[in-house]
Amino acid sequence: AQTVTQSQPEMSVQEAETVTLSCTYDTSESDYYLFWYKQPPSRQMILVIRQEAYKQQNATENRFSVNFQKAAKSFSLKISDSQLGDAAMYFCAYSPLDSNYQLIWGAGTKLIIKP
Amino acid sequence: NAGVTQTPKFQVLKTGQSMTLQCAQDMNHNSMYWYRQDPGMGLRLIYYSASEGTTDKGEVPNGYNVSRLNKREFSLRLESAAPSQTSVYFCASSDDTYTSGANVLTFGAGSRLTVL
Repeated sequence: AQTVTQSQPEMSVQEAETVTLSCTYDTSESDYYLFWYKQPPSRQMILVIRQEAYKQQNATENRFSVNFQKAAKSFSLKISDSQLGDAAMYFCAYSPLDSNYQLIWGAGTKLIIKP
Repeated sequence: NAGVTQTPKFQVLKTGQSMTLQCAQDMNHNSMYWYRQDPGMGLRLIYYSASEGTTDKGEVPNGYNVSRLNKREFSLRLESAAPSQTSVYFCASSDDTYTSGANVLTFGAGSRLTVL
C-alpha cells in the first residue's frame, strides 16, 4: 500500500529566508501525481503545487518549488523569500495515475514564520 | 464566487445524537468528497461521490452515511454520534477535466465536531 511520510511535525523560518519541507512516499507504481496543499489558520486547504511523476522537470509556482527525486521517492517543497502569510500546515499527498479517490495524505508539517 | 460551502462550522453533540453536515459547491464539479482530519494524521476519506446519484465508501466509512442530493450538494450524516467521531470534517470537490489522479481538490473551510 502507498504511504506518505512527512517527518517534520513543525518547522520555523525567519521571514524572507528559504525553508524546505520534506516528504517521502512509498509506491510500486511508476506513474502517479504528487501534491503539496497548504492549510492556513482559516482551515481551508488550497493547492500549492502539483507534480506529475513522469515529468522530469521540477514543478514551480512563484516562490514555491519542489525537489522531486523519483528514485529516492522524495518530494520536498522549497519556499523562497518566506512571508508571514506562508504560515500554515503543509500537507503532502500522493495520487495514483488513474483515480481521484485514492489520495494518500501525509500527517502535515506546521510552518512558523518568525518576523 | 463561494466555491465549497460547509455548514455548520462548529457543532457539539452528545453521544448517541444524530446530525447532518451540509456541503454545497457552485463550480459544477462532478466529484465530491468527505474527509476527516485528526491531529497528527493526514486527511482520511470517508465517502466520495463520482457523480450525481452515486456514492462510494472511502477509507473510514463506518458510522457515517452520505447523500448526493443533486450535483451541487453532498451531505454527511452521523446517525448515532460517538466520541471517536470528534474531528474536523472537510468537504471537497474536483473538476474532472482530467480523467486521472491529476485533478485538484477544492476544499470547504471545515466543520469542527465535538462529541461528548
